[in-house]
Amino acid sequence: KAGVTQTPRYLIKTRGQQVTLSCSPISGHRSVSWYQQTPGQGLQFLFEYFSETQRNKGNFPGRFSGRQFSNSRSEMNVSTLELGDSALYLCASSTSGRSYNEQFFGPGTRLTVL
Amino acid sequence: QQQVKQSPQSLIVQKGGISIINCAYENTAFDYFPWYQQFPGKGPALLIAIRPDVSEKKEGRFTISFNKSAKQFSLHIMDSQPGDSATYFCAASINTGTASKLTFGTGTRLQVTL
Repeated sequence: KAGVTQTPRYLIKTRGQQVTLSCSPISGHRSVSWYQQTPGQGLQFLFEYFSETQRNKGNFPGRFSGRQFSNSRSEMNVSTLELGDSALYLCASSTSGRSYNEQFFGPGTRLTVL
Repeated sequence: QQQVKQSPQSLIVQKGGISIINCAYENTAFDYFPWYQQFPGKGPALLIAIRPDVSEKKEGRFTISFNKSAKQFSLHIMDSQPGDSATYFCAASINTGTASKLTFGTGTRLQVTL
């Protein structure tokens, strides 16, 4: 079974631009979560989608948004990029999103904002 | 507010030794405590997890010890090997029945020397 895939793997943008990251979950997984990983803040939860609905949201500004499609694939969008948005963005999928369901992480998208 | 505190930040252990990483949490509603292992360039991968109704869980060389009254849990890696060199994250989540999010510790960089 293929793992979680994220595209692109690397991205360089400039301040003020917007970016869209994509995540394809493991086949059969309906829950997709997004996390931001930085050296200073560690791993922080952005949001979770299940059956095309956002079920949970972290403490990030409205510039960070996401969506999920009927095939469970998910995208996250960051508008008006800031230097501090430079990070590794990780996507994780699980069967139902319950706390004890294992979350499988993708390799991440490394975003650099110049 | 850091809800899961992890220590030490880094750890150097000789091959064959025991690696111990500690975490403490604040929110008593947490009911699932996984440990993740992350290698450079990869996403985190679930190593072992525990629920608060047991005090210890062992899987191979990896053991979680859980102290509910102290709100602490720890990862023990027995007979540490160079291949265990990675960053380890403790995490916690609350099962709301329909959604979950992982709250991560800040990570411990483990180096196992020959």
